[in-house]
Amino acid sequence: DAGVTQSPTHLIKTRGQQVTLRCSPISGHKSVSWYQQVLGQGPQFIFQYYEKEERGRGNFPDRFSARQFPNYSSELNVNALLLGDSALYLCASSFRGLGYNEQFFGPGTRLTVL
Amino acid sequence: ILNVEQSPQSLHVQEGDSTNFTCSFPSSNFYALHWYRWETAKSPEALFVMTLNGDEKKKGRISATLNTKEGYSYLYIKGSQPEDSATYLCAFMGDDKIIFGKGTRLHILP
Repeated sequence: DAGVTQSPTHLIKTRGQQVTLRCSPISGHKSVSWYQQVLGQGPQFIFQYYEKEERGRGNFPDRFSARQFPNYSSELNVNALLLGDSALYLCASSFRGLGYNEQFFGPGTRLTVL
Repeated sequence: ILNVEQSPQSLHVQEGDSTNFTCSFPSSNFYALHWYRWETAKSPEALFVMTLNGDEKKKGRISATLNTKEGYSYLYIKGSQPEDSATYLCAFMGDDKIIFGKGTRLHILP
């Protein structure tokens, strides 16, 4: 079985641009969560979606948005990119919502903002 | 502001020795605590999901305990091996949010 997949692997953008990151969960998993990880820090929670509805949101500005599709895949959008948005963006899927279920992480998308 | 602290930040352990490290988290609104192992160039891998005060879980040479009343969890590694070299992350779950610690970076010395 395929694990969590993310695309693209790497991305370079300039300040002010917009970016869309994609995530496909493990087959049968209905929850997807997004995290931002910068060097030296633990992953920072951005969003959780379960059954296509937002179920949790971290302390990120409105420039960050996400959605989950009927096939449970998800997109993370970031508008008006800032240099500080440069990070590894991780997606994780679980069978149900956050909490009692293990999360399975994808390989991440490395975003560089110049 | 909720905070999750892990200590130590970094640890060097001789191969064959046992070690442990700590995760401290808020003792209120607790839902679950997760432990992950993150090897360089790989994705974080779930080790344990812990939910009940007093929980003890074990997977091979790795085990973990949970104290939700005082807000801490210990991760133990018995007889460290080179493949144990990784960053170990804990994550607190409560109120539809998840908060990760910064991790403990474990180096196993041959």
